[in-house]
Amino acid sequence: EPEVTQTPSHQVTQMGQEVILRCVPISNHLYFYWYRQILGQKVEFLVSFYNNEISEKSEIFDDQFSVERPDGSNFTLKIRSTKLEDSAMYFCASTGTSGSSSEQYFGPGTRLTVT
Amino acid sequence: GENVEQHPSTLSVQEGDSAVIKCTYSDSASNYFPWYKQELGKRPQLIIDIRSNVGEKKDQRIAVTLNKTAKHFSLHITETQPEDSAVYFCAASNRYSSASKIIFGSGTRLSIRP
Repeated sequence: EPEVTQTPSHQVTQMGQEVILRCVPISNHLYFYWYRQILGQKVEFLVSFYNNEISEKSEIFDDQFSVERPDGSNFTLKIRSTKLEDSAMYFCASTGTSGSSSEQYFGPGTRLTVT
Repeated sequence: GENVEQHPSTLSVQEGDSAVIKCTYSDSASNYFPWYKQELGKRPQLIIDIRSNVGEKKDQRIAVTLNKTAKHFSLHITETQPEDSAVYFCAASNRYSSASKIIFGSGTRLSIRP
């Protein structure tokens, strides 16, 4: 069964550094998402992406964040200047070929630790 | 804004007993309600979902109910087993909105006592 993959599984970075988290969504999916989960808390929506542009973003997704689909397979989340509070698990998700297909398939996550 | 409230935050039940988790949602446009199970350090895994044109759905030991008028939905697990121990999240989404985001509840940590 096809799966969403994410790399790296764990990223440690120093405050102020840039990080890029990578995702490979399921190949025929058209809608892509990033969520984050601070340890012990709920999963929070960051951004959705369709047709090479952002569809919606949350208040968390400020100017320090950006997303890109640089080629036909990867979907990336960049944090320009990391803060301690960016430490969290970041999940990528994708969903299917029409807007009415609701199930989002989650990747295994990247644990980001900012020191 | 859109919000999903979930109760209780922790739940401990004897093995074999039932567990019930309750959620409410605020956005009237929500019409898709997935439930996720998350084990420590793992991704959320969809265990069951319900759409707004249905009041109840069952899959083996798991059932969900939805009351659209009250904006309530619940997860029922019967005959609980040790492997049911995990964090459970309810969620809501508008499946007719393109690129529809999922709004998660705050989670319920379920522990099954042997």
